[in-house]
Amino acid sequence: EADIYQTPRYLVIGTGKKITLECSQTMGHDKMYWYQQDPGMELHLIHYSYGVNSTEKGDLSSESTVSRIRTEHFPLTLESARPSHTSQYLCASSDLLGGYTFGSGTRLTVV
Amino acid sequence: KQEVTQIPAALSVPEGENLVLNCSFTDSAIYNLQWFRQDPGKGLTSLLLIQSSQREQTSGRLNASLDKSSGRSTLYIAASQPGDSATYLCAGSNFGNEKLTFGTGTRLTIIP
Repeated sequence: EADIYQTPRYLVIGTGKKITLECSQTMGHDKMYWYQQDPGMELHLIHYSYGVNSTEKGDLSSESTVSRIRTEHFPLTLESARPSHTSQYLCASSDLLGGYTFGSGTRLTVV
Repeated sequence: KQEVTQIPAALSVPEGENLVLNCSFTDSAIYNLQWFRQDPGKGLTSLLLIQSSQREQTSGRLNASLDKSSGRSTLYIAASQPGDSATYLCAGSNFGNEKLTFGTGTRLTIIP
C-alpha cells in the first residue's frame, strides 16, 4: 500500500546526542517536506525537497539538516540535540496535483 | 506571504448536528486549499483538496468550498458523530509554490 512512514514514533534522548529522524514514502513523489509542530501550535515548514539532490530551508529557521539521496527517502538530522528541539516532527510528500500525504510524526523529547 | 486563519479555535456541538468550520486566507492567488484532520499526538489525515479551478469538493459527509474572491474556505460536516472529534486544519499554497501554509486549526468536540 502506498504510504509515508516515519520512525521512530517517539524518541527521548539526552542533550548533545546526534539523532536522525527517518522518513520514507512509497508513492514515488518527487516533492517532500518536513514540518515542526509544538503542542497546540501551528505547523511550520523547516525543510523541503523537490527531487533527488535538491534540498531547501523552509520558513522556520531550524538547526536540523536534511538529505535527499533517493527519491523515497528524506531523513532529518540533528547533530547535537538540545531541549529547545523538543517538538513533533512531521514528514509529508505531495503529488502532481499538490495534494499532501503526511506521516504519523516523530515526537522528540530532549532531556 | 500567505497567511491562514481559522476561527473559532475550539467548537463543541451535540451529536447529529450539522456544522461549518471556517478558514480565511490573505492572498487571493491561492492555488490549492487542503483540509486535514489531526487526532491528538498523531499526524495529519488529508480530507479534501480543492484545486484552483474548483469551487468545492465532497467526500461522504464532508463538503469543502473555496471562494478565492472573499478569501474564505468552509468545511461542512453533516450529521456529526463522536468520531469526528479532532482538530481540523486548513492549508493553502500559491501558484508555483507548493509549500503549504497552515492555519492554527479548530478543535472540534462532538458531544454524545
